Amino acid sequence: EAGVAQSPRYKIIEKRQSVAFWCNPISGHATLYWYQQILGQGPKLLIQFQNNGVVDDSQLPKDRFSAERLKGVDSTLKIQPAKLEDSAVYLCASSVRGNEQFFGPGTRLTVL
Amino acid sequence: DQQVKQNSPSLSVQEGRISILNCDYTNSMFDYFLWYKKYPAEGPTFLISISSIKDKNEDGRFTVFLNKSAKHLSLHIVPSQPGDSAVYFCAASGGGGGADGLTFGKGTHLIIQP
Repeated sequence: EAGVAQSPRYKIIEKRQSVAFWCNPISGHATLYWYQQILGQGPKLLIQFQNNGVVDDSQLPKDRFSAERLKGVDSTLKIQPAKLEDSAVYLCASSVRGNEQFFGPGTRLTVL
Repeated sequence: DQQVKQNSPSLSVQEGRISILNCDYTNSMFDYFLWYKKYPAEGPTFLISISSIKDKNEDGRFTVFLNKSAKHLSLHIVPSQPGDSAVYFCAASGGGGGADGLTFGKGTHLIIQP
């Protein structure tokens, strides 16, 4: 069974630029999550989708971050405009039962 | 305010001995607890979990203990092997309403010495 796929794996941008990350969850997993992991910290939930609806986006900085999950499968996370403090690894996870989440390899973003 | 705390940033254990990783939480709404293992440049991988209705769950070399009254859980690895060297994250979920995103601790870097 293929795991959670994410791209790109690495991205370097300058502050105020825009960036987008893509995630393809495990086939059949209805729930998809985006996490932000800053160096030295644990992952922090940004948004949770159930199929293509948002369940929880309480920690998503909505002035600059947006996410969508069209057709209930793939998802994109966008940052516009990026700030220096957005430098982090962005992890996508999916689950079928809710509690046990399977993570992708992440996208490492560096904002200069 | 950190709701899940791992107070040991690192832990060094000799190969073959027991590794004990600790985790404390403050939110009494948490009802499910998980441990994840992470290697560099990879995403976290699920290791073992425990529901709040249990106090112990065992899977091979890994055992998780939950003390609800103390809001404390621990992960025991016996015997420790070189491949266990990684960062271990404690995570929790709960609160209901379908929102089951995980709250993570900062992680403990486990180093298994030969």
